[in-house]
Amino acid sequence: QKEVEQDPGPLSVPEGAIVSLNCTYSNSAFQYFMWYRQYSRKGPELLMYTYSSGNKEDGRFTAQVDKSSKYISLFIRDSQPSDSATYLCAMGSIYNQGGKLIFGQGTELSVKP
Amino acid sequence: AAGVIQSPRHLIKEKRETATLKCYPIPRHDTVYWYQQGPGQDPQFLISFYEKMQSDKGSIPDRFSAQQFSDYHSELNMSSLELGDSALYFCASSLAHRGNPEAFFGQGTRLTVV
Repeated sequence: QKEVEQDPGPLSVPEGAIVSLNCTYSNSAFQYFMWYRQYSRKGPELLMYTYSSGNKEDGRFTAQVDKSSKYISLFIRDSQPSDSATYLCAMGSIYNQGGKLIFGQGTELSVKP
Repeated sequence: AAGVIQSPRHLIKEKRETATLKCYPIPRHDTVYWYQQGPGQDPQFLISFYEKMQSDKGSIPDRFSAQQFSDYHSELNMSSLELGDSALYFCASSLAHRGNPEAFFGQGTRLTVV
């Protein structure tokens, strides 16, 4: 079993829909959580970074962390065709500074006009 | 703002050849990471450096080695290349040891081994 599990999709939604992307993890040492967006053959682009349970909002994006359930989510409001990409969750341990991020498998999102 | 720079962007090598990938982190970032991403796969951690010292090691083959230089740029050296080494190789940098673990990725080097 992978340390981080993410539904690979693909997920297809109409423009304007609310998108929910989710990851679960098993390692309770993970303390910081990130969401990346990756367009085809490009480098992952950091979207959101959180380190505590609760919600963090940035424009149309909301990151949610529930450490008790080991579950994180990314919500995209008013989705746009330009949001079509693969979304990767990633997490790491603050006790391993300078160490690796563990990624989920990525969810491929397609937003249809 | 300056981003992580990787070179070359594309590289084609034959089996058993050697390849060197370069990474220039964001200025003042103290930590560099290398990841390998195969088609349809998530990035797999290879190795990281903090202040020119190896800080963590992942699933990096013995045929690969890496180092970080005094100017903080890093190089990934890959020898005896195999067909299975064909992948996207990403470098990322962060201020992890200053309490800012957000990692910013470069655009990657696409390595094709033929």
